[in-house]
Amino acid sequence: AQSVTQPDIHITVSEGASLELRCNYSYGATPYLFWYVQSPGQGLQLLLKYFSGDTLVQGIKGFEAEFKRSQSSFNLRKPSVHWSDAAEYFCAVGGALPFKAAGNKLTFGGGTRVLVKP
Amino acid sequence: DADVTQTPRNRITKTGKRIMLECSQTKGHDRMYWYRQDPGLGLRLIYYSFDVKDINKGEISDGYSVSRQAQAKFSLSLESAIPNQTALYFCATSDPKEGTGELFFGEGSRLTVL
Repeated sequence: AQSVTQPDIHITVSEGASLELRCNYSYGATPYLFWYVQSPGQGLQLLLKYFSGDTLVQGIKGFEAEFKRSQSSFNLRKPSVHWSDAAEYFCAVGGALPFKAAGNKLTFGGGTRVLVKP
Repeated sequence: DADVTQTPRNRITKTGKRIMLECSQTKGHDRMYWYRQDPGLGLRLIYYSFDVKDINKGEISDGYSVSRQAQAKFSLSLESAIPNQTALYFCATSDPKEGTGELFFGEGSRLTVL
């Protein structure tokens, strides 16, 4: 069965500092990996996704993530955090096989809440 | 207007009451999903539908039912609400032609069962 672990429940970072959110996944075939952000009172917005090719993926809002197959990780990074980045971040895994039979059933991690200090 | 619209956005109800959460989408996607969000548990899949005639249980379907009235509409029902169904519920859609499984979410329906 597929699973996602986000080890950090809360992270506090100062504005302007760098941010890294950890994500470890378990999946029996080639994974498709996603990072979503949920701002207070909002739905989930896709930040970026990996499905093939370059293992360093660029997303919106200045975020990037690196897929490391050997470590089963897909960590999210941002070089300089803005106050508007305070939100909850979710990592999710889906897969290519048996994609068409089983459909797009993404499995989500428990989330990491990011607080930004002035 | 939002591509995926959920109603109501907030609802407070009592134990034993029947509740329906509705979802409509203008994205033209065939696939629709209901997820439940609880603190620390992330999002868990309740039900999903590949088209109007294809409905499937997710990992936590007990106590819930769904109806796919049209390609654009997918409703979630709690026949007899209980307090541990207090949660934030999300509807989502996906396009199988897109290929990766990316989900598009509504803004959520917060349900409180007293």
